[in-house]
Amino acid sequence: DIQMTQSPSSLSASVGDRVTITCRASQGIRNDLGWYQQKPGKAPKRLIYAASSLQSGVPSRFSGSGSGTEFTLTISSLQPEDFAIYYCLQHNNYPLTFGGGTKVEIK
Amino acid sequence: EVQLVESGGGLAQPGGSLRLSCAASGFTFSIYVMTWVRQAPGKGLEWVSGIGGGGSTTYYVDSVKGRFSISRDNSKNTLYLQMNSLRAEDTAVYYCARMDDGGGLAYWGQGTLVTVSS
Repeated sequence: DIQMTQSPSSLSASVGDRVTITCRASQGIRNDLGWYQQKPGKAPKRLIYAASSLQSGVPSRFSGSGSGTEFTLTISSLQPEDFAIYYCLQHNNYPLTFGGGTKVEIK
Repeated sequence: EVQLVESGGGLAQPGGSLRLSCAASGFTFSIYVMTWVRQAPGKGLEWVSGIGGGGSTTYYVDSVKGRFSISRDNSKNTLYLQMNSLRAEDTAVYYCARMDDGGGLAYWGQGTLVTVSS
């Protein structure tokens, strides 16, 4: 199985800050990775697909990069509605595997 | 508009069974891989199972192999998850999700809660 190691597990940031979250795959997964945002009591919402493509309707302050084993989600200027938990998901091989999540909290 | 609506969750005893359903609408159900993802209380997301569009190809995470069975009825646009030999650690919100052409899970249902307890 492909392990997805996500870091940090949590972070505190202020509105307007630049935030970076990283996922590392235990083996190469090309660009078969997405980033998801989850708010309390809600289903996850996809932000990024194919590692760097912005999902329709998602604000442009979200961006993704990487290929192979190292991937990054960046929020260029954190907004109040961005406080949530973020997950990466690899779909290169079954079983699909998620990163452990990053909780973004208000400083 | 794509819609996925799960049902069938509830309380089950350890060793018991439940069958979850996911009613799909707004897209051609039979051509998409469908999956189940779960989230234990206060924990992260865990992919559970997936099934090809025709229903003949199935995938499972190791922790549910031999206990859970995924299926679909394309005539009813419905996805199922038969859960047998339930354990306390199966307690979670179960989401169904559609895998899109490029991979990844673009559409999710609202989830249904399964609680396994005596």
